[in-house]
Amino acid sequence: DQQVKQNSPSLSVQEGRISILNCDYTNSMFDYFLWYKKYPAEGPTFLISISSIKDKNEDGRFTVFLNKSAKHLSLHIVPSQPGDSAVYFCAASALAGGTSYGKLTFGQGTILTVHP
Amino acid sequence: KAGVTQTPRYLIKTRGQQVTLSCSPISGHRSVSWYQQTPGQGLQFLFEYFSETQRNKGNFPGRFSGRQFSNSRSEMNVSTLELGDSALYLCASRIRPASMNTEAFFGQGTRLTVV
Repeated sequence: DQQVKQNSPSLSVQEGRISILNCDYTNSMFDYFLWYKKYPAEGPTFLISISSIKDKNEDGRFTVFLNKSAKHLSLHIVPSQPGDSAVYFCAASALAGGTSYGKLTFGQGTILTVHP
Repeated sequence: KAGVTQTPRYLIKTRGQQVTLSCSPISGHRSVSWYQQTPGQGLQFLFEYFSETQRNKGNFPGRFSGRQFSNSRSEMNVSTLELGDSALYLCASRIRPASMNTEAFFGQGTRLTVV
């Protein structure tokens, strides 16, 4: 039962253009969402998060959009840089309780490649 | 401020042995979670500890256990190792599990290889 899905295993983008990474979830208890960037053999690095009371959060080049009715979130990176090339994971948690309380449920990841 | 520290970084064990991994969270963080990453299953939640108490547990067999000490440092133990336990084990720390600011910060991980 994959509660968080990243349907695109990979994405290739030209430097300077926008990268859009997508994530869908099924558990309606999820109310907090995060994006992480990961290099091989290293731990994930936190990028940006959003609470379900918001529909947008922005931090520099990174913007996360949340569409609760569609159970969909996306990460926009503008402009994309070669150093952004990594695996991107979305994660969800439930602050309010239930079996998802306190844990992050991750998607399978999307490999982003930004070409110079 | 120091980040999350995991030791050791790399470990090779033989089937049937047991292993203990260590995690020191960010100073002031009281919640420690453990995750397993494998190519086939992705990042899977093992368990979370807060104030020395296990708060939540993932779907892993009883061979996987953990504990947290009064200084918030945590250890996880895997007994009777199997080849399928080969993975990157990641530790994450948060200020507290129920806070709105629940960004989890990860360590570099321990790469466990079971032969």
